[in-house]
Amino acid sequence: KQEVTQIPAALSVPEGENLVLNCSFTDSAIYNLQWFRQDPGKGLTSLLLIQSSQREQTSGRLNASLDKSSGRSTLYIAASQPGDSATYLCAVLLINAGGTSYGKLTFGQGTILTVHP
Amino acid sequence: DGGITQSPKYLFRKEGQNVTLSCEQNLNHDAMYWYRQDPGQGLRLIYYSQIVNDFQKGDIAEGYSVSREKKESFPLTVTSAQKNPTAFYLCASSILPSGGFDNEQFFGPGTRLTVL
Repeated sequence: KQEVTQIPAALSVPEGENLVLNCSFTDSAIYNLQWFRQDPGKGLTSLLLIQSSQREQTSGRLNASLDKSSGRSTLYIAASQPGDSATYLCAVLLINAGGTSYGKLTFGQGTILTVHP
Repeated sequence: DGGITQSPKYLFRKEGQNVTLSCEQNLNHDAMYWYRQDPGQGLRLIYYSQIVNDFQKGDIAEGYSVSREKKESFPLTVTSAQKNPTAFYLCASSILPSGGFDNEQFFGPGTRLTVL
């Protein structure tokens, strides 16, 4: 059974710091990996999606990497801002026997990020 | 304005009642999903549907039921058999997961259900 773990559970940093959020998964047979942001009481906003054949994706100040063989992904946030404060979730999409996917995401428990001025 | 809508935003239920949560999408996505989120936990899959009139159980389907009569709608009923229904419920959709597509999932704003 796929298990996804995120470290650290919570992180508090001063504004301007570069930071790294970690995600690990137990089964490397994934279709893709997605990073999400969730603000309190809100739905999830997709940040980055990395296909299993890719090594990294970038969007603005965000960079996500994927090492499928070791079961790890990192989300790098450059020059953090107070507006980045939120919970960050990673999720992996499982691959099925046919090489496609049923679309079932398995989520980590999230990292609560606080960026203080 | 494309997206996923969920209603209501807040829902209160008395013990023993069934309640239905609405999820509508105008993204023309084939696949739709229901997740449950509890404090301090990641999301867990309740049900998913890849096509109209077809759906499959997720990891925690007991006490829930769904229907998929229209492509754009995937309502979730929380029945009285669900022992601990108080949670935040999230609906998502994606294009049909298959080779060549990245199957990015998009989420609605959520419904918070509280049992009184």
